[in-house]
Amino acid sequence: AQSVTQPDIHITVSEGASLELRCNYSYGATPYLFWYVQSPGQGLQLLLKYFSGDTLVQGIKGFEAEFKRSQSSFNLRKPSVHWSDAAEYFCAVGARNTGNQFYFGTGTSLTVIP
Amino acid sequence: DSGVTQTPKHLITATGQRVTLRCSPRSGDLSVYWYQQSLDQGLQFLIQYYNGEERAKGNILERFSAQQFPDLHSELNLSSLELGDSALYFCASSVDSGVYNEQFFGPGTRLTVL
Repeated sequence: AQSVTQPDIHITVSEGASLELRCNYSYGATPYLFWYVQSPGQGLQLLLKYFSGDTLVQGIKGFEAEFKRSQSSFNLRKPSVHWSDAAEYFCAVGARNTGNQFYFGTGTSLTVIP
Repeated sequence: DSGVTQTPKHLITATGQRVTLRCSPRSGDLSVYWYQQSLDQGLQFLIQYYNGEERAKGNILERFSAQQFPDLHSELNLSSLELGDSALYFCASSVDSGVYNEQFFGPGTRLTVL
């Protein structure tokens, strides 16, 4: 069965430090991969997505993610975190050949300390 | 502001009751998705409609139903409500039905079942 795992429930980083949020997926083919961010009291907003091609994708707000097929991973990174990045981050998989199903990870909550 | 609107913002009701959540997609978007977000289940895909037709079904209970109207707004009907149905319900929209699309999320409807 398809699944998305975000092993870190909560991460705390200092402002200006680098960030990496982990995401692993289980899927029989190359899926469509997404990272969304949810600020408190808000809906989700797309940060970036990967379909094919260059395995390093750039997104909004200075985020990037790297697709590694051998590790079934799609980790999100940011070189220097800002206080406004504090939010909940969700990795998601769009599974085309199982009838347009969408699977979200359980989310990683990011706290940024000054 | 994603352009997706959801009403009401909050809904408090009793067990056994029926409620209807409403969603208006972004202008020009033909696809609407419904999600349930709860603390124990995370973000679960419920159902997708495209141009009035059901396109994909996720973890939607039989007590729940949805439809998309000719003006493309959508309604999610929840009946015989149980305490466990208390959650944040999100609607999202995208330009077409493909799983590769960015989904634009509304602010959600918080349902509390007492």
